[in-house]
Amino acid sequence: GAGVSQTPSNKVTEKGKYVELRCDPISGHTALYWYRQSLGQGPEFLIYFQGTGAADDSGLPNDRFFAVRPEGSVSTLKIQRTERGDSAVYLCASSLGGAEGEQFFGPGTRLTVL
Amino acid sequence: RKEVEQDPGPFNVPEGATVAFNCTYSNSASQSFFWYRQDCRKEPKLLMSVYSSGNEDGRFTAQLNRASQYISLLIRDSKLSDSATYLCVVGGWGSARQLTFGSGTQLTVLP
Repeated sequence: GAGVSQTPSNKVTEKGKYVELRCDPISGHTALYWYRQSLGQGPEFLIYFQGTGAADDSGLPNDRFFAVRPEGSVSTLKIQRTERGDSAVYLCASSLGGAEGEQFFGPGTRLTVL
Repeated sequence: RKEVEQDPGPFNVPEGATVAFNCTYSNSASQSFFWYRQDCRKEPKLLMSVYSSGNEDGRFTAQLNRASQYISLLIRDSKLSDSATYLCVVGGWGSARQLTFGSGTQLTVLP
């Protein structure tokens, strides 16, 4: 079946611009996660949705970052006034939502801020 | 101090070798433990969950020591296809289900 998909696969933008990154989770998965991975590091948690609501947004680095999941399926990560330090691979994962649910990762969006 | 620490490597081993990776975690309230594998420029994929009783999946054996907050992964009879970065991962529970990743240990299996 279809896995987690993310668009775009690559995004190059200029410092100060606004970007949106999209995640389509596996159908039926109620939990959705955003992570950010910098070169040579493991992924770092950003935000977790259970259904439509953000259950935990403690990983968002500052108020330039925001994410939504209005219908409990597709999610969009929004970054305002991008900075060069935002350059990373942004990974989305989804799971069934139960306590033991395996998280399945999408291929990521590689964001480069020039 | 990082929440999950692992030796970054790289580990370069010949085919057929046995290689062990170790990891420590700092949050004693952690509830779930995993090893993920990540190939170059690809997403992480679950290799195996880790339990206190230890678990084995073919050539791979994982062990958890809660008292020492220590996780290990043993790969026997390594194959060229095992070359990847291995990520030690710790999870919470309830509203804290996010995963906390180590920085990864890079393994290259040489012919």
